[in-house]
Amino acid sequence: DIQMTQSPSTLSASVGDRVTITCRASQSISSWLAWYQQKPGKAPKLLIYKASSLESGVPSRFSGSGSGTEFTLTISSLQPDDFATYYCQQYNSYSRTFGGGTKVEIK
Amino acid sequence: EVQLVESGGALVQPGGSLRLSCVASGFTFSSYNMNWVRQAPGKGLEWVSYISSSSGTKSYADSVKGRFTISRDNAKNSLYLQMNSLRVEDTAVYYCARGDTINDYWGQGTLVTVSS
Repeated sequence: DIQMTQSPSTLSASVGDRVTITCRASQSISSWLAWYQQKPGKAPKLLIYKASSLESGVPSRFSGSGSGTEFTLTISSLQPDDFATYYCQQYNSYSRTFGGGTKVEIK
Repeated sequence: EVQLVESGGALVQPGGSLRLSCVASGFTFSSYNMNWVRQAPGKGLEWVSYISSSSGTKSYADSVKGRFTISRDNAKNSLYLQMNSLRVEDTAVYYCARGDTINDYWGQGTLVTVSS
């Protein structure tokens, strides 16, 4: 199975900061990567698919990049609503693996 | 409006069985592949199982293979997860999620607790 490793696991930042989260795959997944945001007690929300395509309705401050084995999610200017946990997910194989998550906390 | 509503979660003893349901509305259920994803308390997301729109293709995480069975009834707009031989480590919120490669809509989840 393909393993997904996210870093960091926790990130402390302030409103207005530029934030970058990294996700690494154990083997090449081309661009078959999605990013989700999850808030406590809520279901995950799709942000980015195919590594860099923004889901409809998602603010443009979110962006994704990468291919192969290394990917990033960037929030250009962190907003109060963005404090949450973020997960990457590969869908290169039928076994859809998630990363361990990155919690973005208020500094 | 797309809605996915899970039900069936409960407290069950180790070795027991449970059947989860997910009722879909607001879209043509029979046209979409579906997934179950779970989240143990305080932990990350874990993909559990996938079923194609026609039920022709199914897949499972290694952790549940042989114990869980995914199915659907397109006439009832419903997705199911039959869980047998439950273990303490199966304790989690179980979400149904629409889509094959990416999951654009999720239910609110149903809690399964496996404990003696």
